[in-house]
Amino acid sequence: ETGVTQSPTHLIKTRGQQVTLRCSSQSGHNTVSWYQQALGQGPQFIFQYYREEENGRGNFPPRFSGLQFPNYSSELNVNALELDDSALYLCASSLVRRRDTGEQFFGPGTRLTVL
Amino acid sequence: DAKTTQPPSMDCAEGRAANLPCNHSTISGNEYVYWYRQIHSQGPQYIIHGLKNNETNEMASLIITEDRKSSTLILPHATLRDTAVYYCIVRVADSGYALNFGKGTSLLVTP
Repeated sequence: ETGVTQSPTHLIKTRGQQVTLRCSSQSGHNTVSWYQQALGQGPQFIFQYYREEENGRGNFPPRFSGLQFPNYSSELNVNALELDDSALYLCASSLVRRRDTGEQFFGPGTRLTVL
Repeated sequence: DAKTTQPPSMDCAEGRAANLPCNHSTISGNEYVYWYRQIHSQGPQYIIHGLKNNETNEMASLIITEDRKSSTLILPHATLRDTAVYYCIVRVADSGYALNFGKGTSLLVTP
């Protein structure tokens, strides 16, 4: 069973730039969620994609956007980077179906630093 | 989703049971209690979940009080590798929705 993978592992950008983070879901999963984790805090929900459609969004501005592809891989795009966007970005996949257990499988994350 | 309250940190000696409490006094009837943990520099890992009955798996046991307003995660024989931040999350099942992580409890297992 292949786990959730993310790329790159680390990334440094400057304020105002744009960034794309990538995630490959666990085999057979149809849902992917993205979380932002600032230092010392718990992960905060950004949005979720189910069958290539956005299926829920947290309190993040529109400059945070995403895509889910037919093979269930996913991208997180952030435009006009701000210093506060520096964080660990986590991708989680799950198989949403009737009697969802709520178990999400997380990748190792991408550490983004904005200078 | 209902809010949860956890102590910010706890210590436990290796080989002893670690008992991590969580208060969720506003939990509603269709909300489950989930536990995840995050080892340093890794993504969160699912541990266990339950509705009202006690649950046990290969990782841990979950004890939920009869009124469902609090619960305890038990790691029966803590090892150094159990050092992590433990998150208690209350969530409606069958929703496929987001996990609302708080700050969790930082558990330090000492030799």
